Amino acid sequence: DADVTQTPRNRITKTGKRIMLECSQTKGHDRMYWYRQDPGLGLQLIYYSFDVKDINKGEISDGYSVSRQAQAKFSLSLESAIPNQTALYFCATSDIGQGVSGELFFGEGSRLTVL
Amino acid sequence: RKEVEQDPGPFNVPEGATVAFNCTYSNSASQSFFWYRQDCRKEPKLLMSVYSSGNEDGRFTAQLNRASQYISLLIRDSKLSDSATYLCVVKQGSGGSNYKLTFGKGTLLTVNP
Repeated sequence: DADVTQTPRNRITKTGKRIMLECSQTKGHDRMYWYRQDPGLGLQLIYYSFDVKDINKGEISDGYSVSRQAQAKFSLSLESAIPNQTALYFCATSDIGQGVSGELFFGEGSRLTVL
Repeated sequence: RKEVEQDPGPFNVPEGATVAFNCTYSNSASQSFFWYRQDCRKEPKLLMSVYSSGNEDGRFTAQLNRASQYISLLIRDSKLSDSATYLCVVKQGSGGSNYKLTFGKGTLLTVNP
C-alpha cells in the first residue's frame, strides 16, 4: 500500500460543484502539502500544514480551502469548481527534518476535470 | 527573472549518451537545492540533493554554483529507464511563513534505443 494515499484518483465534475480531495498518510510525518500541476507548468503550492493546528496559504490558494483533520489526514476542497481548476493535484508529506533534507513524499495524484 | 528556470528541453538522446540539465534561481537567499524525477503521469520523487561541493550518485552528478545562482545535473551513460521529466527544486526558509519550496517546470528527457 502507498504511504501517501489520495482519493479520488480521477474525478470529472461540473462547474459550480463542491469537490473534496482527500489525502492520508502512514509515514507519521507532521508536514503535509497540496500542490497542483498543469501541463507545461511547475508544481504550484496551494496550501501547507506543519502540524494539526497550523495551516498556511501557498502561492495559489484562491478558490481552495483545506482541513487538517488529524496528523495523518489533509483534505483539499474546491467550494465551487471552475474549469481553470482542471489539473493534476498532488498531496505530499515531509518529516520535520525536511528543513534540511528537502524530501517530499508525494501521493499518486488526483486528476480533476471541471467541465 | 523567474524564480526557478530550467532548460526548456525536450532532450532526445541515444542510449549511452551523456546529458546535462541546467537550472538557475533568482533568490540569492535560497538555502537548499534538489533534483526530482517525475515519470509520465506519476508523482515526483527525490533524485538527489545538491551540495555546495558537488555530489555524485552513480551515473548522476549534481553541482551548485552559488555565485552564478546555478545548479546542474549530469547523467552519464544514459539508460532507457532515465527517460523522465527532471525537476529542479529550490528551498528558502525552514518553517512557518518564510518557508518556500519552488519547483521548476521540468525538463523532459527521452533516451532512445
